[in-house]
Amino acid sequence: DGGITQSPKYLFRKEGQNVTLSCEQNLNHDAMYWYRQDPGQGLRLIYYSQIVNDFQKGDIAEGYSVSREKKESFPLTVTSAQKNPTAFYLCASREGSSGNTIYFGEGSWLTVV
Amino acid sequence: GEDVEQSLFLSVREGDSSVINCTYTDSSSTYLYWYKQEPGAGLQLLTYIFSNMDMKQDQRLTVLLNKKDKHLSLRIADTQTGDSAIYFCAERTAGNMLTFGGGTRLMVKP
Repeated sequence: DGGITQSPKYLFRKEGQNVTLSCEQNLNHDAMYWYRQDPGQGLRLIYYSQIVNDFQKGDIAEGYSVSREKKESFPLTVTSAQKNPTAFYLCASREGSSGNTIYFGEGSWLTVV
Repeated sequence: GEDVEQSLFLSVREGDSSVINCTYTDSSSTYLYWYKQEPGAGLQLLTYIFSNMDMKQDQRLTVLLNKKDKHLSLRIADTQTGDSAIYFCAERTAGNMLTFGGGTRLMVKP
């Protein structure tokens, strides 16, 4: 089946640890995105990548890092510098410049313990 | 700047129509979207409308766009309990970025 796969679904992080959230898509989409959603709120853009080996900061990039070594993969690392990382993280992808729609994965819950 | 606003909550009875409203500020928006989010899940694309259209219908869903007032609405006909979810509108602006509203929680009472 074609789609976007995020893993893990649930992740617990201790204070001071880095964690990496996986996002894989087999849609052959060029652009990929990471959003953060806090309870009862909308989505805020963390990072995005329009093409392999290139990525840009979104509105709330501080404390996060990404890589885009392969077209199908866009992992997000939540570093210890992110002071309030507990949230729901959503990965999305879109076709190239002509793509009208952005598709989302099922999300990953990160909780700091 | 970009800003997308939605009301927080809407309650309707099963079988009634639901109308979820959204306002946006960026007049250069090319596409406007409606997404549905069920508890603990990702966002499911419901429909989208190109900015040069004023209406789009897709089965029980009707999207109305008033570009002059920068107002977008989603009407769900014959609302069912399975329609209970959070609905997000989003605008696509220059740079192909999406800006989301805060979401409207739709509750459908039997």
